[in-house]
Amino acid sequence: AQSVTQLGSHVSVSEGALVLLRCNYSSSVPPYLFWYVQYPNQGLQLLLKYTSAATLVKGINGFEAEFKKSETSFHLTKPSAHMSDAAEYFCAVSGNTGFQKLVFGTGTRLLVSP
Amino acid sequence: EAQVTQNPRYLITVTGKKLTVTCSQNMNHEYMSWYRQDPGLGLRQIYYSMNVEVTDKGDVPEGYKVSRKEKRNFPLILESPSPNQTSLYFCASSFGGAGEKLFFGSGTQLSVL
Repeated sequence: AQSVTQLGSHVSVSEGALVLLRCNYSSSVPPYLFWYVQYPNQGLQLLLKYTSAATLVKGINGFEAEFKKSETSFHLTKPSAHMSDAAEYFCAVSGNTGFQKLVFGTGTRLLVSP
Repeated sequence: EAQVTQNPRYLITVTGKKLTVTCSQNMNHEYMSWYRQDPGLGLRQIYYSMNVEVTDKGDVPEGYKVSRKEKRNFPLILESPSPNQTSLYFCASSFGGAGEKLFFGSGTQLSVL
């Protein structure tokens, strides 16, 4: 069985500050890991995806995440927050074979203040 | 334009009155899935489909039905809705399964009174 835990339901940063959103996973097989973003009143959009090719994954809008097997973590970072980054962020895990289910975390709402 | 279309966007109904939420994708995706989103619980998978006539239960299938008669459509059916099914519902699709990029619809906010 697979699961993800997102630490912190809300994270507040100032514009220009570092963004760090935490995600820890549990998986009995080598996982595929994802970060999705949800802007208000919209569906989710893929930010980035890890599939074992490289441990540091770069995504859209300046976000990146690092896969650390020893820590079972896949934290999302961005060096400098922008007001437009305010949204809810979801970490998700899937098995890496066939049509597996995708399991989402409970989400972290990012608040960006001027 | 590549998209996943859900209808309706908002729906208010009463307990026990059957309803269907439609989902259609124009990307020829094999995989489609339904999720419900509740505060503090994130997204939970209801059902998914790997191809036409192939469906399987997700984590919270009770009280829901689905069908996949055509590749592009994957309706969600609530035969006897109850208040605990009040939620925000999302349909999603991908070309190669849950391990590929999912394309999401805009959501359906359902209220069951």
